[in-house]
Amino acid sequence: NAGVTQTPKFRILKIGQSMTLQCTQDMNHNYMYWYRQDPGMGLKLIYYSVGAGITDKGEVPNGYNVSRSTTEDFPLRLELAAPSQTSVYFCASSWVGQGNEKLFFGSGTQLSVL
Amino acid sequence: DAKTTQPPSMDCAEGRAANLPCNHSTISGNEYVYWYRQIHSQGPQYIIHGLKNNETNEMASLIITEDRKSSTLILPHATLRDTAVYYCIVRRAGGGADGLTFGKGTHLIIQP
Repeated sequence: NAGVTQTPKFRILKIGQSMTLQCTQDMNHNYMYWYRQDPGMGLKLIYYSVGAGITDKGEVPNGYNVSRSTTEDFPLRLELAAPSQTSVYFCASSWVGQGNEKLFFGSGTQLSVL
Repeated sequence: DAKTTQPPSMDCAEGRAANLPCNHSTISGNEYVYWYRQIHSQGPQYIIHGLKNNETNEMASLIITEDRKSSTLILPHATLRDTAVYYCIVRRAGGGADGLTFGKGTHLIIQP
């Protein structure tokens, strides 16, 4: 069982560069999420998706874009990278039903923007 | 979703039970209590959740007070690998699409 797979694990970008963080899940979950975590802080929601073709903004969406063309994949795009986007990024998925919201997380992508 | 309050850090001796408290005094009747943990540099991991009754699984036990205003996560025989940040989250049934809100949690340190 692969679960939630994120690539790459580490990346260094220069200011102004762009990149896509990949996330795929093999559990047929309907909901997927992108979070970021700054050092010593909790997780903040960037974007989420309730199904293929449907995405919405979370708490900190500025500077990011997402798409959900399939149930399995939920890539996060950074355009014009800035030092403030240096963080650890986690993708998660869940099957949202009555009283059951277990989120399954990927192992994270550590991104540095210099 | 109701707000939760947790101590920022706790210590526990290896082999002892670790009891992590969480206050959620504004919890509503249809809100569940979830516990996750995050071991250094890894993604958070689901531990357990409950509504009213106490719950137990292979990882931990969850004790919810009768008035539901607080809960305790119990790791019965803590090991060094249980050192992690533990998050207590309150979430309404059916949730909604906007995920779970992770605060700063409790940093549990298991001492050898």
